[in-house]
Amino acid sequence: KNEVEQSPQNLTAQEGEFITINCSYSVGISALHWLQQHPGGGIVSLFMLSSGKKKHGRLIATINIQEKHSSLHITASHPRDSAVYICAVRSGVGGGADGLTFGKGTHLIIQP
Amino acid sequence: DGGITQSPKYLFRKEGQNVTLSCEQNLNHDAMYWYRQDPGQGLRLIYYSQIVNDFQKGDIAEGYSVSREKKESFPLTVTSAQKNPTAFYLCASSLQPVSSSYEQYFGPGTRLTVT
Repeated sequence: KNEVEQSPQNLTAQEGEFITINCSYSVGISALHWLQQHPGGGIVSLFMLSSGKKKHGRLIATINIQEKHSSLHITASHPRDSAVYICAVRSGVGGGADGLTFGKGTHLIIQP
Repeated sequence: DGGITQSPKYLFRKEGQNVTLSCEQNLNHDAMYWYRQDPGQGLRLIYYSQIVNDFQKGDIAEGYSVSREKKESFPLTVTSAQKNPTAFYLCASSLQPVSSSYEQYFGPGTRLTVT
């Protein structure tokens, strides 16, 4: 079974700080997703990556396949970035019936 | 605007009653999914459908049923057999199922409370 661990579970930071959220998994994957869940519950897909690095605005996602690790970075953080960030991995081994295993999420609060 | 709609946002039911959660998408996606989210846990797959008139059990299908009569619609029924139905339910869709190449799009969710 693919275990997905996110750290930290909770993170409170001041506006403008550089934020890093980590995701580690135990079994080789074909893709990794970073999702953002707003306080109301809706989920938005931020990134899907299988290697290297992707950037969108102030968000950067990296993945190291050999180390089975991914990071999500937020530069110049803002209170509107406050949300739960979820890592999900897709693999052929031990995932859910749809191949996905979700982490428990990192609850981020950015204070003004 | 293309997207996924779920209704209602909040739903309250008495124990012993069946309840149906709605999920509609206008993204022309073939695959649709139902997930359950509980506090402190990752999303868990209830059912998924790869094509109209076909659906597969996910990891926690007991006490739930689905139908896929139209491409746009994938309603989930929470039956009285589901022992702990109170949860947040999320519907999702993707262009192709079980593939590394396609992102999933999520609806806004329905929070079901059964008392």
